[in-house]
Amino acid sequence: SSELTQDPAVSVALGQTVRITCQGDSLRSYYASWYQQKPGQAPVLVIYGKNNRPSGIPDRFSGSSSGNTASLTITGAQAEDEADYYCNSRDSSGNHLGVFGGGTKLTVL
Amino acid sequence: QVQLQESGPGLVKPSGTLSLTCAVSGGSISSSNWWSWVRQPPGKGLEWIGEIYHSGSTNYNPSLKSRVTISVDKSKNQFSLKLSSVTAADTAVYYCARGELDHNAYYYYYYMDVWGKGTTVTVSS
Repeated sequence: SSELTQDPAVSVALGQTVRITCQGDSLRSYYASWYQQKPGQAPVLVIYGKNNRPSGIPDRFSGSSSGNTASLTITGAQAEDEADYYCNSRDSSGNHLGVFGGGTKLTVL
Repeated sequence: QVQLQESGPGLVKPSGTLSLTCAVSGGSISSSNWWSWVRQPPGKGLEWIGEIYHSGSTNYNPSLKSRVTISVDKSKNQFSLKLSSVTAADTAVYYCARGELDHNAYYYYYYMDVWGKGTTVTVSS
């Protein structure tokens, strides 16, 4: 079982805003990072740190955090945003080991 | 622009040892990064396997720790994964990635910003 919990599936209408959440005790001391993965492709980092986007990631992607919950928000979702999204952090055991959330399948309607 | 490329056998026999290498190009493996392995079984989510720093310091997923060894070869600018006593449950796409781990006064932050394309390993006789 994962120490980071995500909803398995979320849907959004084209052009609308969607929030994908990730919960875990370690998020009280670690920022989550977020990855987009499309079928047959490697994961791509979309958000890291407090709210940072790597070069080439559209500004419709943003991140936030409160307490033990991190969120990835897509403002004005596009058809190409349909993908699996994973959060990632370190665990809460004190060993600072890597851990992923179970992933959220985003469907753009 | 750092790039990572996984290589190794695509088929491993049960009870054997899975061995993969990740070649780092466009940058140095001696940079201040953690070099990681992540896997994804068919139809399932991502699983963090472990990581190594250029000094040789390692961290492993507790669920795999007894079977995993990650090593670094600075002369070849690459790092490697060995997973012993494999079973069908180890069948997966294996990715290598570059990790950043740092902190400010209030928070730690960790992310993997460069990934290889992944290599499929099947465990079967």
